[in-house]
Amino acid sequence: DAKTTQPPSMDCAEGRAANLPCNHSTISGNEYVYWYRQIHSQGPQYIIHGLKNNETNEMASLIITEDRKSSTLILPHATLRDTAVYYCIVRVAMGNAGNMLTFGGGTRLMVKP
Amino acid sequence: DGGITQSPKYLFRKEGQNVTLSCEQNLNHDAMYWYRQDPGQGLRLIYYSQIVNDFQKGDIAEGYSVSREKKESFPLTVTSAQKNPTAFYLCASSTGTSGGETQYFGPGTRLLVL
Repeated sequence: DAKTTQPPSMDCAEGRAANLPCNHSTISGNEYVYWYRQIHSQGPQYIIHGLKNNETNEMASLIITEDRKSSTLILPHATLRDTAVYYCIVRVAMGNAGNMLTFGGGTRLMVKP
Repeated sequence: DGGITQSPKYLFRKEGQNVTLSCEQNLNHDAMYWYRQDPGQGLRLIYYSQIVNDFQKGDIAEGYSVSREKKESFPLTVTSAQKNPTAFYLCASSTGTSGGETQYFGPGTRLLVL
């Protein structure tokens, strides 16, 4: 299973871009990179996912390096409501047996005024 | 509204008691999942189900049981065999299990032991 490594915490000024890094050096060729966030005492919220190409949606951008060993989640204009724990996850593919997300410790992002 | 609902939001269990946590989805998703989250930790998979009448153990299935009699429902029972049940329990669902399907989560149930 591919593991992920994230910094335990980061600060960001309100209105600035938040760049959250993730290392996944053992990722396999068919494994996706997912990002979720969790605000205290709520269920995780899906943000974005990608396989090889960079992705963008209304919430964020995902930049995946060419060798796929690391990625960066970018929140272009962070707000106070973006304060949360951000999880970088590599989907564990189990073929016909299932689809499991392995959550690590995540990065606690604190957006400050 | 489409989505995943979990009930109750808070649940109290007495020693030796079995309790059941509800999870319902109206997203027409085939796959459903139960995770456990301890304070300051990530999520760990308890059970998952790819299709009605089928389910598989995750990493920490001991002391838990599930059923999947209907597509939209995946209740989790915390049995008396689970010696440390205090945690935040999260249910999720996805369209399938074989590709890049996204899992969507419910709001969670916090279980406390009296």
